[in-house]
Amino acid sequence: NAGVTQTPKFQVLKTGQSMTLQCAQDMNHEYMSWYRQDPGMGLRLIHYSVGAGITDQGEVPNGYNVSRSTTEDFPLRLLSAAPSQTSVYFCASSKPGLAGNEQFFGPGTRLTVL
Amino acid sequence: DAKTTQPPSMDCAEGRAANLPCNHSTISGNEYVYWYRQIHSQGPQYIIHGLKNNETNEMASLIITEDRKSSTLILPHATLRDTAVYYCIVKARGGADGLTFGKGTHLIIQP
Repeated sequence: NAGVTQTPKFQVLKTGQSMTLQCAQDMNHEYMSWYRQDPGMGLRLIHYSVGAGITDQGEVPNGYNVSRSTTEDFPLRLLSAAPSQTSVYFCASSKPGLAGNEQFFGPGTRLTVL
Repeated sequence: DAKTTQPPSMDCAEGRAANLPCNHSTISGNEYVYWYRQIHSQGPQYIIHGLKNNETNEMASLIITEDRKSSTLILPHATLRDTAVYYCIVKARGGADGLTFGKGTHLIIQP
């Protein structure tokens, strides 16, 4: 199993550009989440999904859209990038009942918005 | 989710046991204590969790006080590769709405 994969690893955008961060998992996990981590801080939840077709907002959803058309994929869209969205983005997946809330994290996407 | 308090940083000598404390005085009866760690720039990694009994796995031991208001993560023989930020998280089991990460404890293993 590849686990949770994220692409790209690094990205530089200009203010106002849009892009999609990709996340995929091959563990057949129902739950998937997106977090962002700013320097020196813990992770903050952006959006999450409990299954295909179902998404909900986390702590910091503004400026981001998500959709979940399949169990495997959970892309994160930045509609109009702003410098405040410069951060490291982590995707995670988990399965109900699997060691409680054990979440599997991807390697992250490092995004810089100029 | 209950709030947790951890020291911002700790040092430990290589080969010694690293004991990382966490205070969660407002924990409720259905909330578990979870520990994750994040090695520099990588995604967080699950370590262990518990409800009220002490737990042990191949990575660590978790000691929870009888009143459940605090806990200690123990890495029995710390190595340089254990240098990381360790997060103590309290959450009811099975929630799909993600985890709440604080700033954690930066554990530095000294050679």
